[in-house]
Amino acid sequence: DAGVTQSPTHLIKTRGQQVTLRCSPKSGHDTVSWYQQALGQGPQFIFQYYEEEERQRGNFPDRFSGHQFPNYSSELNVNALLLGDSALYLCASSQRDRWMEQYFGPGTRLTVT
Amino acid sequence: GDSVTQMEGPVTLSEEAFLTINCTYTATGYPSLFWYVQYPGEGLQLLLKATKADDKGSNKGFEATYRKETTSFHLEKGSVQVSDSAVYFCALSDRYVNNNDMRFGAGTRLTVKP
Repeated sequence: DAGVTQSPTHLIKTRGQQVTLRCSPKSGHDTVSWYQQALGQGPQFIFQYYEEEERQRGNFPDRFSGHQFPNYSSELNVNALLLGDSALYLCASSQRDRWMEQYFGPGTRLTVT
Repeated sequence: GDSVTQMEGPVTLSEEAFLTINCTYTATGYPSLFWYVQYPGEGLQLLLKATKADDKGSNKGFEATYRKETTSFHLEKGSVQVSDSAVYFCALSDRYVNNNDMRFGAGTRLTVKP
């Protein structure tokens, strides 16, 4: 059983560009959450998707947006990239009724130059 | 808002030493508490959890007890191994206050030397 997968593994972008990160949840999971983990810090919650809608959002600007597809996979989009957006972006999946059991993917390392 | 504070690292121990990583929390409701572990190059893995006061979570020799009176959830292991070297994150989540938003501490890096 494949766990949570994310692509790409690494990405380098220039300030002002846009980026799309992808996540496939663990089989049987219907809820996807995204986190930003800056170097040396704990993950910070960006938003959560369930039934193709954003259900909860952390303290991130509108430049961060997302989408969930009918197969439960998800995308994170970041527009107008800033140097401060450089981080490891983690995707976590869970079942809606077992919300405490979040499974994390290995992350996408985004570097903005 | 709800938050977690954990002891700063790094922590370096010899194999078979006793481990304690301190974690305290601030919350308006009654959150569930978690410890996650992150091995190099990998995502976070749930190590253990506790959902109410006085609950003890345990896994792989690690333990933590939910102490409401001291708002703490300290991680302990009686005898660490080299393979326990990783970054450990304390976290909380309250389904009714912040709707599954997991709040993490800054992480504590543990290095175990043979």
